[in-house]
Amino acid sequence: DAGVIQSPRHEVTEMGQEVTLRCKPISGHDYLFWYRQTMMRGLELLIYFNNNVPIDDSGMPEDRFSAKMPNASFSTLKIQPSEPRDSAVYFCASSSTGSGNQPQHFGDGTRLSIL
Amino acid sequence: AQSVTQLGSHVSVSEGALVLLRCNYSSSVPPYLFWYVQYPNQGLQLLLKYTTGATLVKGINGFEAEFKKSETSFHLTKPSAHMSDAAEYFCAAGRAQKLVFGQGTRLTINP
Repeated sequence: DAGVIQSPRHEVTEMGQEVTLRCKPISGHDYLFWYRQTMMRGLELLIYFNNNVPIDDSGMPEDRFSAKMPNASFSTLKIQPSEPRDSAVYFCASSSTGSGNQPQHFGDGTRLSIL
Repeated sequence: AQSVTQLGSHVSVSEGALVLLRCNYSSSVPPYLFWYVQYPNQGLQLLLKYTTGATLVKGINGFEAEFKKSETSFHLTKPSAHMSDAAEYFCAAGRAQKLVFGQGTRLTINP
């Protein structure tokens, strides 16, 4: 079975540019999560969706960050304008509805470097 | 708010030795508990999970963890370390789909 697919795997861009990260969740999963991982702050939940609807975006750092899920098989995380402090590894994960005990499945991440 | 604490950001053991990675959670209601492993340049992979029932949970690669409600702990163990176990390990807790992750423990295996 295909896992969670993220693209691109690596992104290097200059400060001020728009960055779009993409995620395809596992087919049939109805929850999708975006995380950011840095050495200083560890793994942070940015936002998550249920059935394509954003449920909790309290982890989104500021208005420069936005996330969408137009359908069950695709989500984007956009940063505009990007800043050097946004450099991190961004992970997408998905899971299926259960009694809360369904594990999250992670993609391999996008390593983002803002120069 | 729920929190997860992993004792020791770095743990180093010799090949063949016991691996013990510590995890404590804070929650008035025992959460579902998970251990994930992350290899370099990869995402997190599920090692094992505890939901209900037997408190000793066996996972992949010979790892197991024991849920102790009285100690609010979910420590990860492996009887004999292999070089391939070198990675970062994350403990996570949650009652619904949203998980709270610990800061991670980097495991180094010495030959």
